[in-house]
Amino acid sequence: QKEVEQNSGPLSVPEGAIASLNCTYSDRGSQSFFWYRQYSGKSPELIMFIYSNGDKEDGRFTAQLNKASQYVSLLIRDSQPSDSATYLCAVTHGTGGFKTIFGAGTRLFVKA
Amino acid sequence: DTGVSQDPRHKITKRGQNVTFRCDPISEHNRLYWYRQTLGQGPEFLTYFQNEAQLEKSRLLSDRFSAERPKGSFSTLEIQRTEQGDSAMYLCASMTQGTPLHFGNGTRLTVT
Repeated sequence: QKEVEQNSGPLSVPEGAIASLNCTYSDRGSQSFFWYRQYSGKSPELIMFIYSNGDKEDGRFTAQLNKASQYVSLLIRDSQPSDSATYLCAVTHGTGGFKTIFGAGTRLFVKA
Repeated sequence: DTGVSQDPRHKITKRGQNVTFRCDPISEHNRLYWYRQTLGQGPEFLTYFQNEAQLEKSRLLSDRFSAERPKGSFSTLEIQRTEQGDSAMYLCASMTQGTPLHFGNGTRLTVT
């Protein structure tokens, strides 16, 4: 079992729709949860982080965390073609939260 | 804050040669990480430093890989006797406690 699992996609949504990206993790001791966006040939850039159960909103992005289900999600409202990228879920665990482990990423295509 | 800087951006080498990459983290960040990413995969953890101490090294990392952070500032990653399977993007990231990882632009290695 991989430590962080994501559906590789591709996920295709029309412009203006809501894109829903999901992630599960295996270590119940995980403490911090991140979503990174990565354009082809570029390095990952942070979009959202969440530490507590529930929802966290930032502009068009909402991160959701359910520690009991070991589940993290990212919602992108009013999707734009510029949102087309790979979205990486990342989880930090270990004593003191030192090591961040990434999923393989979900490719998102937003059709104009 | 000039961000995380990596050098070189691209490296092409012949199988069996040694290569060395450099990473300059964000100045106030005491933790520095190296990841490797291949096409279609998320970043794979290689090793990390807190100040000058190397605190963890991936079990997947062969003895041909070595990393240093001699003064707790910049870091180098050396690969000896390169193999074609070493071809990947090598990402450096830095952070301090309570902050997410900030990535550099990466070094793309091609072993011919």
